[in-house]
Amino acid sequence: SQQGEEDPQALSIQEGENATMNCSYKTSINNLQWYRQNSGRGLVHLILIRSNEREKHSGRLRVTLDTSKKSSSLLITASRAADTASYFCATVKRSNTGKLIFGQGTTLQVKP
Amino acid sequence: DAGVIQSPRHEVTEMGQEVTLRCKPISGHDYLFWYRQTMMRGLELLIYFNNNVPIDDSGMPEDRFSAKMPNASFSTLKIQPSEPRDSAVYFCASSRGQSPNYGYTFGSGTRLTVV
Repeated sequence: SQQGEEDPQALSIQEGENATMNCSYKTSINNLQWYRQNSGRGLVHLILIRSNEREKHSGRLRVTLDTSKKSSSLLITASRAADTASYFCATVKRSNTGKLIFGQGTTLQVKP
Repeated sequence: DAGVIQSPRHEVTEMGQEVTLRCKPISGHDYLFWYRQTMMRGLELLIYFNNNVPIDDSGMPEDRFSAKMPNASFSTLKIQPSEPRDSAVYFCASSRGQSPNYGYTFGSGTRLTVV
């Protein structure tokens, strides 16, 4: 079964608004990563947060990690139409470094 | 760097035929992964290699699937015989380091259709 579960499954917002996606996982992790996938394309790595980190920023992206709740969130601020894509969280289990397991993803639509 | 290169981009084959998917990882990356993506099952890890050695193939669906990595710059995923339920997008990815403290780089994928 998938390690990560994203919520919501689909999200539609207006350009300029913020988008928040959540991810929950089941076992202790080494790190958690977020990826973007544009329609018909491969996945692109966005950001990685280690299990001993609580928050990380990259441009308009902000990722938080709560290991006590086994959850993470991805915030995209000031969204743009070009942010329209599917977003996946993926985890590496603490016991099995090297194996990245993906959730089902959140489909984000940003309307111009 | 050209990134992770997969070929072919699209493959249409008849049930029962052998299919070979190819991947060239990024130079210097010592991990290579094969994933399969479908609407029903999402992204599934099939197998991964470290320094050309298969580490975990527990995700390989059945004996019809096999993967090899004869050297650091090339890997293949073979399906023989192929079945319609194998239709999916197959991704190859690579990463560097003994533990993935770095993100994975994915190829553009091979869209396989088995008719």
